[in-house]
Amino acid sequence: ETGVTQSPTHLIKTRGQQVTLRCSSQSGHNTVSWYQQALGQGPQFIFQYYREEENGRGNFPPRFSGLQFPNYSSELNVNALELDDSALYLCANSFNRGADTQYFGPGTRLTVL
Amino acid sequence: AQTVTQSQPEMSVQEAETVTLSCTYDTSESNYYLFWYKQPPSRQMILVIRQEAYKQQNATENRFSVNFQKAAKSFSLKISDSQLGDTAMYFCASLFKNAGNMLTFGGGTRLMVKP
Repeated sequence: ETGVTQSPTHLIKTRGQQVTLRCSSQSGHNTVSWYQQALGQGPQFIFQYYREEENGRGNFPPRFSGLQFPNYSSELNVNALELDDSALYLCANSFNRGADTQYFGPGTRLTVL
Repeated sequence: AQTVTQSQPEMSVQEAETVTLSCTYDTSESNYYLFWYKQPPSRQMILVIRQEAYKQQNATENRFSVNFQKAAKSFSLKISDSQLGDTAMYFCASLFKNAGNMLTFGGGTRLMVKP
């Protein structure tokens, strides 16, 4: 167990809706990274937060946004959901802008109908 | 752009035998880490082993070891004495310290350990 938790475990939304996914932080891990994993593929980097500020972003549109809180927990928000947003969303905790091992949570399975 | 390639979509091995999973990567960076992660059906991505690029010695964790060939940009994972619990997807990943500290994953290898 990595000590990283995510909620909810799974959820179902319809096109055009908005969704918020949550990720806890292990004590002291000040960096959180979010990844999208489509079925049968490797995870793709969405963005990373370090001490409450965005520290890097992958090739995802602005309707994917995030927050990191003072206790280093984090949220991923997706607006105007599309069918292709159906995926497993993983968060990973690490130290110091992620320049080291990243420890993953169990993921949230999002289905968009 | 950094890329990671796993050329074996699926592999199988008999329990107690040894299997090697392949991974190649492409980068012009000199400062990076390489990882193998395991993802069982429970979906949790679990770190198996890590290698710092500046270290010549191959990393080892119990039954898991790597063959790191820096010049060839190759990073294979050897699993010895395979166990049924090793059945999972295995992902090779790179982290380039001057390129945003994001993990870049390969497409994965599905490993089945047979009794």
